[in-house]
Amino acid sequence: DAKTTQPNSMESNEEEPVHLPCNHSTISGTDYIHWYRQLPSQGPEYVIHGLTSNVNNRMASLAIAEDRKSSTLILHRATLRDAAVYYCILRTFSGNTGKLIFGQGTTLQVKP
Amino acid sequence: DARVTQTPRDKVTEMGQEVTMRCQPILGHNTVFWYRQTMKQGLELLAYFRNRAPLDDSGMPKDRFSAEMPDATLATLKIQPSEPRDSAVYFCASRFGTQNTEAFFGQGTRLTVV
Repeated sequence: DAKTTQPNSMESNEEEPVHLPCNHSTISGTDYIHWYRQLPSQGPEYVIHGLTSNVNNRMASLAIAEDRKSSTLILHRATLRDAAVYYCILRTFSGNTGKLIFGQGTTLQVKP
Repeated sequence: DARVTQTPRDKVTEMGQEVTMRCQPILGHNTVFWYRQTMKQGLELLAYFRNRAPLDDSGMPKDRFSAEMPDATLATLKIQPSEPRDSAVYFCASRFGTQNTEAFFGQGTRLTVV
């Protein structure tokens, strides 16, 4: 399975943008990039996903490098509620399996 | 408000006892995952099912763990006998289809084996 590399932790100030990086240099052509986050004492929740083009939704934006070897999750205005562990995951889609394999993620702290 | 429901939310048991965790996936979802989360190992995929058939349980200790889907509305994860090292939070997730649909996670079952 292709792996992802994320910083262990990041800090942000409230109401400022946050850019969470993810490296996935061994990504294959059919791997989608998914982001999930896990708030304290909660199960993970879906944030966004993409293949090649940048994506936007109500929660965040996903910027994907042209060579697809890295991506960045962008929270446009961080709130205290965005403090969570953010996971960048490659959706393994071989043999019709589609497993979600989580790494260690990035712990985001948001300061008031 | 559709959600994945896990029971019990918390379970404390003695070593050697059987533990059964239950998951009710979102109605209509045909893929169910079981994960275990510890501080040391993070989120580990134990097993997953599609249309009630096990597709992959390679992450699950075979000697003591078993996962089943008796019907489309219930998934179970059993540990027999339980050991202190099984203490963790166990999450169930469900998803519809095989395309890039999002997976929905339950609130988890916190298991403590003493």
